[in-house]
Amino acid sequence: DQQVKQNSPSLSVQEGRISILNCDYTNSMFDYFLWYKKYPAEGPTFLISISSIKDKNEDGRFTVFLNKSAKHLSLHIVPSQPGDSAVYFCAASGVGGSQGNLIFGKGTKLSVKP
Amino acid sequence: KAGVTQTPRYLIKTRGQQVTLSCSPISGHRSVSWYQQTPGQGLQFLFEYFSETQRNKGNFPGRFSGRQFSNSRSEMNVSTLELGDSALYLCASSLDGTGEKLFFGSGTQLSVL
Repeated sequence: DQQVKQNSPSLSVQEGRISILNCDYTNSMFDYFLWYKKYPAEGPTFLISISSIKDKNEDGRFTVFLNKSAKHLSLHIVPSQPGDSAVYFCAASGVGGSQGNLIFGKGTKLSVKP
Repeated sequence: KAGVTQTPRYLIKTRGQQVTLSCSPISGHRSVSWYQQTPGQGLQFLFEYFSETQRNKGNFPGRFSGRQFSNSRSEMNVSTLELGDSALYLCASSLDGTGEKLFFGSGTQLSVL
């Protein structure tokens, strides 16, 4: 049973526009959420995170929104750039708080077209 | 500061063989986690080690095992390889595994023929 779901395997947007990547989770005990970006042949790199006590966290062009009642989070990238083209993984901290055990979604491949 | 180093980068094995993968964490990081990435399943947690002790374990068969040394370097071993074990194996380190972001290595691409 998948606890973290990214229902869109791929997303294509035009350079300069907004990219919105979505993620749903089922376990209400998750209390920390992260987004990672992965380029081919490289390991994932941390992008942005949000604690369950917040509903928004912003870092430059990247903003993550958390809706606890809907068990939904989203990553907004504004404006999108061709270098943002990568696979984006949503992750949640496992029950018990150990972040060594992250539950990942299957990823969304973002393509930003010039 | 050097990043997480995984060796080897690529590996080809045949069914029934065993394999050992190595991971050197970022200096000062004591937590090392291992993940399996396949196209159909995304990243799946294998296990986490902290101070030479396995703290968490994912839902993988006993053929998958690991260990951590006193210098925090970690190895994972897969015995009796199956075709379905073909995947990218990623190692990630963090300071103490709690409330910290993981830093991933580039992975070991394992192909089982």
